[in-house]
Amino acid sequence: GQQVMQIPQYQHVQEGEDFTTYCNSSTTLSNIQWYKQRPGGHPVFLIQLVKSGEVKKQKRLTFQFGEAKKNSSLHITATQTTDVGTYFCAGSGRSNYKLTFGKGTLLTVNP
Amino acid sequence: GAVVSQHPSRVICKSGTSVKIECRSLDFQATTMFWYRQFPKKSLMLMATSNEGSKATYEQGVEKDKFLINHASLTLSTLTVTSAHPEDSSFYICSASQLTYESYEQYFGPGTRLTVT
Repeated sequence: GQQVMQIPQYQHVQEGEDFTTYCNSSTTLSNIQWYKQRPGGHPVFLIQLVKSGEVKKQKRLTFQFGEAKKNSSLHITATQTTDVGTYFCAGSGRSNYKLTFGKGTLLTVNP
Repeated sequence: GAVVSQHPSRVICKSGTSVKIECRSLDFQATTMFWYRQFPKKSLMLMATSNEGSKATYEQGVEKDKFLINHASLTLSTLTVTSAHPEDSSFYICSASQLTYESYEQYFGPGTRLTVT
């Protein structure tokens, strides 16, 4: 079945440093989504990428979808303490709408 | 944005009893609702997909007789954990989606922390 790998599992940065998490799928995806889960909270939808090579930005966050639609990345510029949480990528295959979640990257930010 | 509620937020029950968890989409009609399970510091594991008015589709390894799902309306789905055991203790999260041609995003409820003693 479809597998989604995400690295790194943990990332600790100093406030102001950049952060990137990477996501790779074993199969071609129809779309990829990113979610953020704060400690003790529930996942919150951030963005959806559909097109090959797509790049989207939300303020300091930049999301990319690979040309082959099998990988994606989330980059945060100049991290802030409010960025703390676990970032999950989740991919959906061509034949269905079910999401397969990566294991997530836990980001901690030292002020 | 779309709001999904879950009730209860926390529940403690004794082994052998059943627990019902409700998931409601508050400001939109959800054609599909999903039920996930999340272990501490782990990812979300899809348990089942629920469409209004039809039987839920369970993922491999998930017992449908143990985790009963009912999707009675476009705004309500329920998950009942029957004859709960301590190993069923977990964080259960539902999500709701409208699943249009261009949009697959899911909106998650706040989750229910189940502890079985």
